Amino acid sequence: DTGVSQDPRHKITKRGQNVTFRCDPISEHNRLYWYRQTLGQGPEFLTYFQNEAQLEKSRLLSDRFSAERPKGSFSTLEIQRTEQGDSAMYLCASSSSGLLGELFFGEGSRLTVL
Amino acid sequence: AQSVTQLDSHVSVSEGTPVLLRCNYSSSYSPSLFWYVQHPNKGLQLLLKYTSAATLVKGINGFEAEFKKSETSFHLTKPSAHMSDAAEYFCVVSDPNRDDKIIFGKGTRLHILP
Repeated sequence: DTGVSQDPRHKITKRGQNVTFRCDPISEHNRLYWYRQTLGQGPEFLTYFQNEAQLEKSRLLSDRFSAERPKGSFSTLEIQRTEQGDSAMYLCASSSSGLLGELFFGEGSRLTVL
Repeated sequence: AQSVTQLDSHVSVSEGTPVLLRCNYSSSYSPSLFWYVQHPNKGLQLLLKYTSAATLVKGINGFEAEFKKSETSFHLTKPSAHMSDAAEYFCVVSDPNRDDKIIFGKGTRLHILP
């Protein structure tokens, strides 16, 4: 396994359009996290899955944001009606029970909303 | 509630001199603590972790950190900086009983002067 992969790496869109990001975690990991990172800030927690169940959502995740993890494998993060404030790096990480919070990150998907 | 404070947003050291990146945490529980590194255009990578075993933790690339409960600190050190250490460093706290609560600091950018 080559690690966590994210697609696309870069996305430029116009305000009001919908975008979707995909994350493929390390195959044996049952936990998957989405974070958002803006310039000069640390990653901010968005949401967390254990297998296919979405167990936690941050208040940062407005109703325009939705995340899924069908079958407990890959995950998608969709942003509807994008706004300029959504411009950020969206990071995916995976982990497994027993790793005590150690996360394995993908390289991120950078979103630019014009 | 948990939080982590990285006391310096930027640190500059000369190549070959010691590195000190400071981190203080707040946690209602005995926390797990981590340092991650992010090189430009690369994913976040785990440097080291503390999970209630030895208080002095050794990581990759010659880095180490010491957990000091009395000072609620987890500072990252390296005896001799190398040019390749230039990157953003994040201190992270998690509640070992709740893996969804993984909180990142805002980061410290380390500059290495030739």
